[in-house]
Amino acid sequence: AQTVTQSQPEMSVQEAETVTLSCTYDTSESDYYLFWYKQPPSRQMILVIRQEAYKQQNATENRFSVNFQKAAKSFSLKISDSQLGDAAMYFCAYLLQGAQKLVFGQGTRLTINP
Amino acid sequence: KAGVTQTPRYLIKTRGQQVTLSCSPISGHRSVSWYQQTPGQGLQFLFEYFSETQRNKGNFPGRFSGRQFSNSRSEMNVSTLELGDSALYLCASRFRQGGGTEAFFGQGTRLTVV
Repeated sequence: AQTVTQSQPEMSVQEAETVTLSCTYDTSESDYYLFWYKQPPSRQMILVIRQEAYKQQNATENRFSVNFQKAAKSFSLKISDSQLGDAAMYFCAYLLQGAQKLVFGQGTRLTINP
Repeated sequence: KAGVTQTPRYLIKTRGQQVTLSCSPISGHRSVSWYQQTPGQGLQFLFEYFSETQRNKGNFPGRFSGRQFSNSRSEMNVSTLELGDSALYLCASRFRQGGGTEAFFGQGTRLTVV
């Protein structure tokens, strides 16, 4: 069974600085997708960024980028120029190609200090 | 385009009762998944419906059931409620199954069992 591990229950960063959230996963499959979701106090899960496992190039979305290391099964999220609105729970998630079930990590609570 | 709508937002039920939660997906989306979120277990997959058929089911007891209507709206039912069923129930819709298509989440239904 696939598992996703986020080893940092909480992280904090000063506004405008850079922070990296860690995620590792375990799978024997080769074709899958990885996601980072953000859950603010409103509780709605919002997709931050996604990565296809077959792509070697790391995904980037504005201030958000990932470091995808397929062999190491690592998928970290880097947030540059942190803003107060980035404060939220961040979940790393795995989706097997052709499957319907997202497997989530336990989440990292990110605090932005003004 | 309206997002995923879940109703009600909050529910308080008594042990032994049953409850029905509703999810209206984004227009044109045919896949609806349900997740349970608790502090202890995190986010866990309940089931997914596509074209009115349950396609995948998580590891939950038979008290948890669901259905999907021809307009893709989905309902989730929990019978004989237990205290441990208190959780945030999230619904996610996708345009289609598989392919790593993005899942859009609703704001959830907070169920409290007393």
